[in-house]
Amino acid sequence: DAKTTQPPSMDCAEGRAANLPCNHSTISGNEYVYWYRQIHSQGPQYIIHGLKNNETNEMASLIITEDRKSSTLILPHATLRDTAVYYCIVRVQGTGGFKTIFGAGTRLFVKA
Amino acid sequence: GAVVSQHPSRVICKSGTSVKIECRSLDFQATTMFWYRQFPKKSLMLMATSNEGSKATYEQGVEKDKFLINHASLTLSTLTVTSAHPEDSSFYICSAKNDGTGNTYGYTFGSGTRLTVV
Repeated sequence: DAKTTQPPSMDCAEGRAANLPCNHSTISGNEYVYWYRQIHSQGPQYIIHGLKNNETNEMASLIITEDRKSSTLILPHATLRDTAVYYCIVRVQGTGGFKTIFGAGTRLFVKA
Repeated sequence: GAVVSQHPSRVICKSGTSVKIECRSLDFQATTMFWYRQFPKKSLMLMATSNEGSKATYEQGVEKDKFLINHASLTLSTLTVTSAHPEDSSFYICSAKNDGTGNTYGYTFGSGTRLTVV
């Protein structure tokens, strides 16, 4: 599974869009980009995933660059409850449990 | 949506005792479940893959006799921390893959169990 790099922390004003970047320059052609988040003392929550096209669901949007070496998770209108650690993971679909590739993630602080 | 229930959410036990943590898929069947451990302010680390009806597969460095895993049904996996010691204190999280969706991204995580060994 390819390695990802994320900034350790970010701040965002409530109501504004939160844009969380992720670099995955060694991603291979069959690896998907997944985003999870973990609110303090809870299990991770799936947000969104994609292969090469941009994706949107009720929680967020995922923008993947054309060369697939980086992506951005967008929370369009951040709320205080979006304060969490966000993990970007790349992996081949359906290859067992996520191993030690939940990196440090980005700690997002949404401020009033 | 797929829900994974993990119980208990918090447990305090005495050193030397054993603790059982349950992971249930409430509205779907899960042939495969996963157990993770998370230290404070650290990321999750996969401990083992729990396979229904067969032995669990442990990650390198995880003691299988210390962390007993049983996956007796398609909706339940248990992790037993045997002869617990203070260094076993941690946040344990399970996840399950929804067999029914056909979409292998469908991993749902439990809410975690905070184990404190005193």
